[in-house]
Order: sequence, then structure tokens, then C-alpha cells
Amino acid sequence: SAVISQKPSRDICQRGTSLTIQCQVDSQVTMMFWYRQQPGQSLTLIATANQGSEATYESGFVIDKFPISRPNLTFSTLTVSNMSPEDSSIYLCSVGASSYEQYFGPGTRLTVT
Amino acid sequence: GDSVTQMEGPVTLSEEAFLTINCTYTATGYPSLFWYVQYPGEGLQLLLKATKADDKGSNKGFEATYRKETTSFHLEKGSVQVSDSAVYFCALSLNTGFQKLVFGTGTRLLVSP
Repeated sequence: SAVISQKPSRDICQRGTSLTIQCQVDSQVTMMFWYRQQPGQSLTLIATANQGSEATYESGFVIDKFPISRPNLTFSTLTVSNMSPEDSSIYLCSVGASSYEQYFGPGTRLTVT
Repeated sequence: GDSVTQMEGPVTLSEEAFLTINCTYTATGYPSLFWYVQYPGEGLQLLLKATKADDKGSNKGFEATYRKETTSFHLEKGSVQVSDSAVYFCALSLNTGFQKLVFGTGTRLLVSP
């Protein structure tokens, strides 16, 4: 399985600001995914990020709020823009593997005040 | 649409008790099924998987059998330990190129000595 790291591991941000979360993988992968896990909730897919193409966003998530970059096969960023307290969540990146499973990073715990 | 339903938690057990966490799914095709585990303060780890009907996934003493006739993938363990305390997520993937994972709401397991 791939080893995935995320930065930062946690942050406390002021409302109206933006935070960029980085996801680094130790091997080249085609598919990367970004999820949100709100407090006490399950995971919700924000978007799929494939290298060389625009990210594909799920219903309820838009590029202006959650811009994503995927400059190469080992790296992606998710920006949470113009934050509000409702954006307080854990944000996780994952990578697709050969048998349709995904492997997850440790997550970024975001608190917006 | 495709969905996963898990039993409500928390599930509270004493050490060495038998564990069952129910999971049923709705899918238009023939999904792969997964159990993920999230230990306190950590990201998600893949626990086990099954990719076709009647397959049994197993890992760390946990088992789950893919039952197409009942659209179920219940998680079982014969003797739980305190270290098994975590949140368990059932998930499916539709085995398409998009590789999207759909998660259940999660079930918290608390094991006491």
C-alpha cells in the first residue's frame, strides 16, 4: 500500500481566510481523492483529482470554494477558501489502488473560529 | 442511488465478547465491499475487503462475507480486545473506472476490560 502524508496535520484559522492542504504520496498514482469528515460524521467525497485534467467535483462542492491542484502523479493540494465555522472538519486525501480500494492519509484537522 | 447502511452505535462490549456490526448496501451494479477502521485521532485504515459474491475478507481476526442475496457485508470478530475500540466504516466501490467509494455512517465500538 502507498504511504501518504498530509500537511498541516491540524490548523486553527480565522473565518474569511483560506488554507491549502498538501497531500504527498510515496509512489506514482493516477487517482487521488479528497474527502471531508465533519465532526462525528462519515466521509463525504469532495472531488477526484487526476493528473493532467481538471478535478471532478461531487454535488454540493464547487471549485471556487475548494480549488484543487494536481501537478504530478505524487502530489495534490486542496484549498478551503473563504472559510466559515461550518468548514471545521477533518480533510483527508486518498489514493486509488488496483482492487478498487483506497488508501488514506492521516487527515488535516481544521478548526475555523 | 448507491448507499451503505450500518447499524447505529456505539456498540459497547466487554473484552473477549463476540462482535457483529451489520452492514447492508444498495447498488446498481456489482460492487466491491470494504471495511475501514479509524482509531482515535488517526486516519482511515483498510481492514478487509471482498470483491465478489461469497468472498470472505479477513484480517486481524475480523471477518466479513459478501452476501449478494441479502446485500450484506456484516463485520464479525470472535473475541474483541480493548485495542479494537475504534470507529468502523463499511463502504462500497462500483468497480468502474471512476473508483468512487460510498461510505456508511460509521459504527463506534467501545471495548472495556
